[in-house]
Amino acid sequence: GIQVEQSPPDLILQEGANSTLRCNFSDSVNNLQWFHQNPWGQLINLFYIPSGTKQNGRLSATTVATERYSLLYISSSQTTDSGVYFCAATSGNFNKFYFGSGTKLNVKP
Amino acid sequence: DGGITQSPKYLFRKEGQNVTLSCEQNLNHDAMYWYRQDPGQGLRLIYYSQIVNDFQKGDIAEGYSVSREKKESFPLTVTSAQKNPTAFYLCASTFTSAQPQHFGDGTRLSIL
Repeated sequence: GIQVEQSPPDLILQEGANSTLRCNFSDSVNNLQWFHQNPWGQLINLFYIPSGTKQNGRLSATTVATERYSLLYISSSQTTDSGVYFCAATSGNFNKFYFGSGTKLNVKP
Repeated sequence: DGGITQSPKYLFRKEGQNVTLSCEQNLNHDAMYWYRQDPGQGLRLIYYSQIVNDFQKGDIAEGYSVSREKKESFPLTVTSAQKNPTAFYLCASTFTSAQPQHFGDGTRLSIL
């Protein structure tokens, strides 16, 4: 399998601030996803981004597959952005998804 | 609307009892997955299935069993052999591992 590491593990922001979350992976990937887990435990798909850049409102993501990392940008953060952000990847012939340990984000009003 | 339905949302297990968590999807996905999440932790894979009548153990399969008799259904049984079953259980599905994975809303299991 592949190793997926996320940083930072914890992040506290004031509302309106910007942030960057990082996901490093140990091998080439054929699937890379970012999820937001809200306080009720729901895992929400943010981005499917094995390579390139995507944007969705205040959120954007970039995956540099050749350098084995992905970044999630949150701009003008809101309290509803609080929760845990996970990245997950698959690689090669492995049919399993490998999850990072998450970044816990707390946005204060 | 297409999606993944997990039931029940909350489940309580008595000592020595087997309980079954339901996961149904109408997304026509081939692959389905079960994960366990302990408080403050990440997701750990229990079992996964790529096609009907076939499934593979994940990283923490001991004390759990699954079946995949229908494409849309992938129930998980937590057996009495699982000594620490209290956790949040999440079911997911996808067309293939190279496609986006979608999650149900989860089942919280506790011991009485």
